[in-house]
Amino acid sequence: GENVEQHPSTLSVQEGDSAVIKCTYSDSASNYFPWYKQELGKRPQLIIDIRSNVGEKKDQRIAVTLNKTAKHFSLHITETQPEDSAVYFCAASIGYGQNFVFGPGTRLSVLP
Amino acid sequence: NAGVTQTPKFQVLKTGQSMTLQCAQDMNHEYMSWYRQDPGMGLRLIHYSVGAGITDQGEVPNGYNVSRSTTEDFPLRLLSAAPSQTSVYFCASTRRGGPQETQYFGPGTRLLVL
Repeated sequence: GENVEQHPSTLSVQEGDSAVIKCTYSDSASNYFPWYKQELGKRPQLIIDIRSNVGEKKDQRIAVTLNKTAKHFSLHITETQPEDSAVYFCAASIGYGQNFVFGPGTRLSVLP
Repeated sequence: NAGVTQTPKFQVLKTGQSMTLQCAQDMNHEYMSWYRQDPGMGLRLIHYSVGAGITDQGEVPNGYNVSRSTTEDFPLRLLSAAPSQTSVYFCASTRRGGPQETQYFGPGTRLLVL
């Protein structure tokens, strides 16, 4: 089955700097790659996603890139702010959003 | 829309007890899933359903049962609780099609098994 790895497990950046989180997946059939943000004690919330037919997607300060050949995808956050501090999860799925497999998460801390 | 709702928010069980975690969604989503979240391990899929009357096992199904008699409801049953089932449980529903396969999560149920 699918296996998703995520690095780093923790990341500290200064406010205003960029943050990059990387994930790799094992199943070449996976075609949908969402990223979730989870604040302490809250539910995960989708922040951005990408499909396998697209190489990059941007939404304001957040971008995701996908390399199908290498089977890895990355989350890029620019101009980080303290409110970006949270745990970020990547995931991969095959087909119509079923059977999501999540990475173990990255705890991002944005230092003022 | 209430979105995805879960009850209870918090539960304490003794080893061997059984209980049902409730999940409901009012968005007419076909897909619903149950995850457990343990520290440092992300979310792991327990069971999922692609529609009423259809369920399947995820990564960690042992000790749990599900049913999907309606589109709206997807309860998770713990048959005989064990301390290893202490976790936070999230139910999720997924909108199929369109530009996003957005997965909406419920608020979670914190379960402590003594």
